[in-house]
Formats: sequence, structure tokens, C-alpha cells
Amino acid sequence: SQTIHQWPATLVQPVGSPLSLECTVEGTSNPNLYWYRQAAGRGLQLLFYSVGIGQISSEVPQNLSASRPQDRQFILSSKKLLLSDSGFYLCAWSPGEKLFFGSGTQLSVL
Amino acid sequence: RKEVEQDPGPFNVPEGATVAFNCTYSNSASQSFFWYRQDCRKEPKLLMSVYSSGNEDGRFTAQLNRASQYISLLIRDSKLSDSATYLCVVEGTDSNYQLIWGAGTKLIIKP
Repeated sequence: SQTIHQWPATLVQPVGSPLSLECTVEGTSNPNLYWYRQAAGRGLQLLFYSVGIGQISSEVPQNLSASRPQDRQFILSSKKLLLSDSGFYLCAWSPGEKLFFGSGTQLSVL
Repeated sequence: RKEVEQDPGPFNVPEGATVAFNCTYSNSASQSFFWYRQDCRKEPKLLMSVYSSGNEDGRFTAQLNRASQYISLLIRDSKLSDSATYLCVVEGTDSNYQLIWGAGTKLIIKP
């Protein structure tokens, strides 16, 4: 069966520091991969999606970037975090229409 | 008008009662609809897809009303474990991979 791993679960970072969140999927090949952010009281916002190695599409302009160095690895990064980057970050994979999420990372930028 | 709109709640419901939520969407061209469940500080998990003919899974029934552009979720014989936030998700039409998420309806089942 397919599983998705995301880490860390929580992260507290100072403004201006770099960020790297990692997500890996097991049990499937060439999955569609996604990074979402969930702000309090708001719907999930799609940040990036990838249909293959090295293929990244960005849905919104922002202070973040994503990379897919391997088929089942998806990384969310920032060179300098802003206060507004705080939120709950979720990695997801999809075999089609439905999404399956990692356990999420609660990021607090102070 | 928001693309996907939900009553944030909370809905406080006694155990055993029936509760229903609606979710309205703005894009009449959307073809796929889903309900996800999210527990506090956890990831969303797919509860059920919503088909044109309706969909029933145990105590849960989802329906689609295209004319009025809303989907609904009905929970019968509610359990304490049903307490969660229920997220409405609608297929976007701007890109092949875009899903539009509602902000969720919080449900609290009281003993």
C-alpha cells in the first residue's frame, strides 16, 4: 500500500532563516505531488504541484520554492522566511482526483 | 462571492442526532466534488466523493444539487467520534490539478 511521509511535525524558525520541508511517498511510482498551506480559518491553498521529476508548477507567487529531485521526493524550501509564512503545511499525493495527505508540518515563524 | 463557501460553525449536536451541512460553489462548470474530514491539527482525510446521483456510505450521505450549486453532507445517528471539521472540495477548472477547498465546518458532538 502507498504511504506518504512528511517531516518535521512542528517547526519554529526565526524570520529570515531558511526552510526545508521534506515529503516522500512509498508504494507508488510517478505520483502527482502537491504542497498545500492551511491558514487558520481558511481553505487549503495549493502552493506547488509536480507531475514528474524536475517538473514544478507554482500556483501563487510567494517566498517559497519547491523541488522534486527524485520521483517520490518533494521538497518545500525558502531562503528567508517571513512572518506570513507561518501556517500548517501539507504534502499530498494523488493517483487521480483524490488526494492523500502527509501528517503536516506546523510552521511558526517568529 | 467565494469560490467554495461553508458555514464555519461550530455545530453543537447531541450524540445520536442527525446533522447536515451545505457547501455552495461558484463555478457551474465544476465536475468533481468531495467531502474531507479533518481532525484538529491533523491532515485532511477523504470522507467521500459526491456523485450526481448522490452517494451513501453507512451513516453518511452526500448529495449534489447542480441547479443551486451546492453539495450537502448528512450524518445520521451521530457519534462522539464524528467531531471534526468537514471540508468541502470542488474541482477547479483553471488548471488540471486545482481543487478549491472550503474553509470547513466544525462539528462538535456532545454526549
